[in-house]
Amino acid sequence: AQSVTQPDIHITVSEGASLELRCNYSYGATPYLFWYVQSPGQGLQLLLKYFSGDTLVQGIKGFEAEFKRSQSSFNLRKPSVHWSDAAEYFCAVGAGSSGDKLTFGTGTRLAVRP
Amino acid sequence: DAGITQSPRHKVTETGTPVTLRCHQTENHRYMYWYRQDPGHGLRLIHYSYGVKDTDKGEVSDGYSVSRSKTEDFLLTLESATSSQTSVYFCAINSKGAYEQYFGPGTRLTVT
Repeated sequence: AQSVTQPDIHITVSEGASLELRCNYSYGATPYLFWYVQSPGQGLQLLLKYFSGDTLVQGIKGFEAEFKRSQSSFNLRKPSVHWSDAAEYFCAVGAGSSGDKLTFGTGTRLAVRP
Repeated sequence: DAGITQSPRHKVTETGTPVTLRCHQTENHRYMYWYRQDPGHGLRLIHYSYGVKDTDKGEVSDGYSVSRSKTEDFLLTLESATSSQTSVYFCAINSKGAYEQYFGPGTRLTVT
């Protein structure tokens, strides 16, 4: 069975600082990986996805993520955080079939200091 | 936006009463999902559907049932609500050939 671990429950960074949110997955084959963001009181918005090919993927809002098979990781990064990035971030893994179920991590809540 | 609406957006109900939540999509997508979101648990899959009248259980399906009689509507029913079902419920969709899911705005359900 697939699983996802987000080891950081809360992270606080200063505005303008760089950000890295960690995600580790467990899956026997090549996973399909996703990062979603949830602003307070809102639904989840897809930030980026990895299916195959280039291991560094670009997403919306200036985010990127790197797939590292050897470390079973898919960490999310942003070079300069904005106050509007304060939200909860979820990593998810799928088995790679269309319509497949996703397994989500427990989320990382990001706070941004002015 | 993915064209997903959920109703109601907020509901307070009493223990033991039946509750039905509705997910409606305008995208004609084949796959639909119901999740619940609780602090410390992320999102957990309750039930999903891969077509009209085709549904299956997720990891936390006890106490919930679903129905899908039309492509656009996926209903989640709590036959007899309990306090442990207080949660935020999200519907999601994805289309045939796609892998990512798109989420609705959520329904906050409180069972007193």
